[in-house]
This record gives sequence, C-alpha cells and structure tokens, in this order.
Amino acid sequence: QSALTQPASVSGSPGQSITISCTGTSSDVGGYNYVSWYQQHPGKAPKLMIYDVSNRPSGVSNRFSGSKSGNTASLTISGLQAEDEADYYCNSYTSSITYVFGTGTKVTVL
Amino acid sequence: EVQLVESGGGLVQPGGSLRLSCAASGFTFSSYAMSWVRQAPGKGLEWVSGISGGGGGTYYADSVKGRFTISSDNSKNTLYLQMNSLRAEDTAIYFCAKSTHFFGSSGFDYWGQGTLVTVSS
Repeated sequence: QSALTQPASVSGSPGQSITISCTGTSSDVGGYNYVSWYQQHPGKAPKLMIYDVSNRPSGVSNRFSGSKSGNTASLTISGLQAEDEADYYCNSYTSSITYVFGTGTKVTVL
Repeated sequence: EVQLVESGGGLVQPGGSLRLSCAASGFTFSSYAMSWVRQAPGKGLEWVSGISGGGGGTYYADSVKGRFTISSDNSKNTLYLQMNSLRAEDTAIYFCAKSTHFFGSSGFDYWGQGTLVTVSS
C-alpha cells in the first residue's frame, strides 16, 4: 500500500487560509468517507484534527475544516496562526482492511 | 481522562525480538479498536497493525505481516505488539492509538507518547 500523496510544504502569513491536499486512489480516499487528519508538533504525538472527512473532534478549532472530492481529500486552515506551524498528515482506511497515512506536509507560518 | 502509556522499547540486534505494551485507562478498552503506528527518525507516520475491540480481528501492514503480532488483554486493559525478526528498517518510535469507534472507522482520537525501538548491531 503506497502512502497517500501530500505536498511536502505549504506556507502562509498569519490570518491567511491554506489548503493541504491528500491524493489517493479509489481503493482508499475515493472509496471511503474514512479520511482523517493529524497535526504533529516536533517531539509530540499526533493530534486528531478531522475525522470522517469533515468532522471536528470536540476542542479542535473551527478554523480547521476538511473536504473530499473523488480521490483527493483536503484540509483547510483559515485565519492561520503561529501555533498552526506543524506537520500535518492525512489518513485513510483502505480496501485491504488496513490504514494508510499521507507523506506529510510541513506548514510554515511566515 | 483517556491515557495510553507505551513501554517495552529499547535497543535490539537485527533478527531479535521485542514486545511492546500499551496500558490504557479512562475508557472501556474492550469497546474500541486499537492500532500501532510508527515513525522512523525524521520520517512520516506509518500504520503498522490494528485490532478490533475485544480482539476479534487483527490486521497488519504488508511491511510487518508474518513478523509482528498484535494482541490485547481486556482484563488488564493492555495492548501488545510482539515484534520478531526485527530489521534495521523497523527502527522507529512506536505509538499506540485508540480508534474513534470500530476498526475501519475514521480517526485515532487518542495517542500515547510513544516508545523508541532501535534495531542495530
């Protein structure tokens, strides 16, 4: 199972919006609404930001939103803040009864 | 409060074995699927293995199938990962993670702090 494809890096200024893409296949992202997104700061465990494509867990800022079209899922961060600088990973359930993570995206706040 | 605490990591020689444990608290352990996720130094996340709530089903990434075995003890609220025939490429921080619902559902909502496994001679 190949990793889902994410851009290596995305940057934006404070207050701007950025979008991170996550491209898979019809056997993972395109086939199921079981896409989730994680934020990971250096030396820390990942934190769930979005599940089931577009749902936010309790306590996660509404500046984070998720969507999906075909085989590509997206995470949008609006009103970018310094604390949003981190690595972000997407994840999907697959037809092989496994999970697959994305390659990861480093978000930089300029 | 949900807590996941991994243990059992360390230095092991290639071809050796190690068993990781993850002690869970703060939720009904038998009702949720659990997974192991690893992260090699400076690299991304890789899903390794998962188990259904109650231990009825076990699932593995191709990279570890036949070498790793996941199990759980509901009486001890503990998740395990038995790792055999270890290779240098298995070197990573290993996290245990709780699923939001059943295995196959979306999202791992709680994570442990991770335990480092180093495979080297």
